[in-house]
Amino acid sequence: EAQVTQNPRYLITVTGKKLTVTCSQNMNHEYMSWYRQDPGLGLRQIYYSMNVEVTDKGDVPEGYKVSRKEKRNFPLILESPSPNQTSLYFCASSLEASGGTKSSYNEQFFGPGTRLTVL
Amino acid sequence: KQEVTQIPAALSVPEGENLVLNCSFTDSAIYNLQWFRQDPGKGLTSLLLIQSSQREQTSGRLNASLDKSSGRSTLYIAASQPGDSATYLCAVKIWQGGKLIFGQGTELSVKP
Repeated sequence: EAQVTQNPRYLITVTGKKLTVTCSQNMNHEYMSWYRQDPGLGLRQIYYSMNVEVTDKGDVPEGYKVSRKEKRNFPLILESPSPNQTSLYFCASSLEASGGTKSSYNEQFFGPGTRLTVL
Repeated sequence: KQEVTQIPAALSVPEGENLVLNCSFTDSAIYNLQWFRQDPGKGLTSLLLIQSSQREQTSGRLNASLDKSSGRSTLYIAASQPGDSATYLCAVKIWQGGKLIFGQGTELSVKP
């Protein structure tokens, strides 16, 4: 089944304790992205990656790191989590084939979400 | 700066009604627009994607239209069912490979 998976789904941690949220897709997608969703602020992009070893900042990158060593994986790293990073996090992926105009190339698929609480 | 707005924020209808959800965006220079459904505590499910060159897309009881010149998209749901109850989000992409810019969503409740 084509899907985007995230782990863990729920996490409660304390300020300053490094954590990693994993994201994996099995659709051979080039493009992957992380979003956070907060009440009243909606969904905002944290980081994105156009391909292996190519990453760039989104709208709210402060306090986060990412890496893209393999095409299928795009982990989100919080080196020193703080309470303002308590949020619902989503990983997404799409094919984004160069020059491709077919709708299916650009459709973004989202993972089930990771609810993070930082105390 | 591109902004996406969805009105109303919440909508309650009786089962069987046809309904329209609205999405507006401030800059007509978009690459595509995508409609999603989000159930409480769950992830986003893609419903329909409309490329900037297209006017509409259909899937089952859903029809999404796009009018770039007026900065509007609508999601039409025919013969609504209680199972359609969810939050519906629209998002635009300005360029290929760019981020999705989301609206705040419309929370739909379909009463039996």
